[in-house]
Amino acid sequence: NAGVTQTPKFQVLKTGQSMTLQCAQDMNHNSMYWYRQDPGMGLRLIYYSASEGTTDKGEVPNGYNVSRLNKREFSLRLESAAPSQTSVYFCANRDRTDTQYFGPGTRLTVL
Amino acid sequence: KQEVTQIPAALSVPEGENLVLNCSFTDSAIYNLQWFRQDPGKGLTSLLLIQSSQREQTSGRLNASLDKSSGRSTLYIAASQPGDSATYLCAVYILTGGGNKLTFGTGTQLKVEL
Repeated sequence: NAGVTQTPKFQVLKTGQSMTLQCAQDMNHNSMYWYRQDPGMGLRLIYYSASEGTTDKGEVPNGYNVSRLNKREFSLRLESAAPSQTSVYFCANRDRTDTQYFGPGTRLTVL
Repeated sequence: KQEVTQIPAALSVPEGENLVLNCSFTDSAIYNLQWFRQDPGKGLTSLLLIQSSQREQTSGRLNASLDKSSGRSTLYIAASQPGDSATYLCAVYILTGGGNKLTFGTGTQLKVEL
């Protein structure tokens, strides 16, 4: 079992470019999350999805959109990247005991 | 707004030493608390989860305690090993109208030296 997978692992964008970060799980959990991790700031929740077809904003949603078309996949889209979005992005899911499982992360640099 | 603080930010200990990592949170109305480990360049790995009704949880050499009334949790690591070197993060679950959400501390970077 792969658990939570993320693609790509690394990405460099220019300001104004768009991209989609992909996340997939094979754990059959309903809830999925997108976080960003910045030095000195800890992990902050961008968006989450309690179940297929539902999404909700977290602490820092501005500049991002998400899509949860099926139970397995939860994607994060940057429509017009900005240098402030340079960060490490983590996808996670949550099981019935509330334990969260994280993917390996996507390291994004916006120039 | 819930805030989670971890002190110290970094800690270096010799191999074999027992150690305690601290986590404090400002709002005691938490649903549960989770401790994670993060290795450099990697994702987070769950270590222990303590429900709000529990006082502690144990897994191997790890023991986590929770005191909701004082807003504190500790992670005790017994007989530390170089392989324990990592960043340890605590996070508290809060219940919101849209579902459970985790608020993270900034972590304690642990180095266990030979």
